[in-house]
Amino acid sequence: GESVGLHLPTLSVQEGDNSIINCAYSNSASDYFIWYKQESGKGPQFIIDIRSNMDKRQGQRVTVLLNKTVKHLSLQIAATQPGDSAVYFCAEYNDYKLSFGAGTTVTVRA
Amino acid sequence: DGGITQSPKYLFRKEGQNVTLSCEQNLNHDAMYWYRQDPGQGLRLIYYSQIVNDFQKGDIAEGYSVSREKKESFPLTVTSAQKNPTAFYLCATSPMGSNEKLFFGSGTQLSVL
Repeated sequence: GESVGLHLPTLSVQEGDNSIINCAYSNSASDYFIWYKQESGKGPQFIIDIRSNMDKRQGQRVTVLLNKTVKHLSLQIAATQPGDSAVYFCAEYNDYKLSFGAGTTVTVRA
Repeated sequence: DGGITQSPKYLFRKEGQNVTLSCEQNLNHDAMYWYRQDPGQGLRLIYYSQIVNDFQKGDIAEGYSVSREKKESFPLTVTSAQKNPTAFYLCATSPMGSNEKLFFGSGTQLSVL
């Protein structure tokens, strides 16, 4: 089975609010994690990454948190905008391959 | 998607037919990958190639074949042995030394007639 998974398949958020998307992974040997955003009919786009020697990494309006103790990864999006509506995937890197979770569909309400 | 071209955007396959999906890149990336995406599921790795004239099976290689004769090209053939080919197929690349960071094409939707 998949080693990477997201807690919730869908998330509805009010425009302007913060979004939190969660992901659990099972392979403690994974040393690199990525979040991707996929809009309908398009390929995934890189959002942010984090290595296992870090707990937190910030980008523009996004923050990734890594909790290695419980093997949990989260993506926080600040001030969610309509353009943030998409499917978000977490992926873990191990054994020269990326493994992807099932994705969370984020819908932004106006 | 810049630099990675997948064609066609939509493809239809008849029963028992082989079809080939094209993936071309001008990023000068060494590694190329093919993923399959089904509705509501994550991406699953079909095949990958780290260098020209070499490729390895991914997690779901049965019913698929690839070739890597040129650095820029990594075509995927969906053979008649693949009994459930309907899916969204994504090609990806990564530069040497950064295999973990993938860049994706815009995908091909394959459907069975």
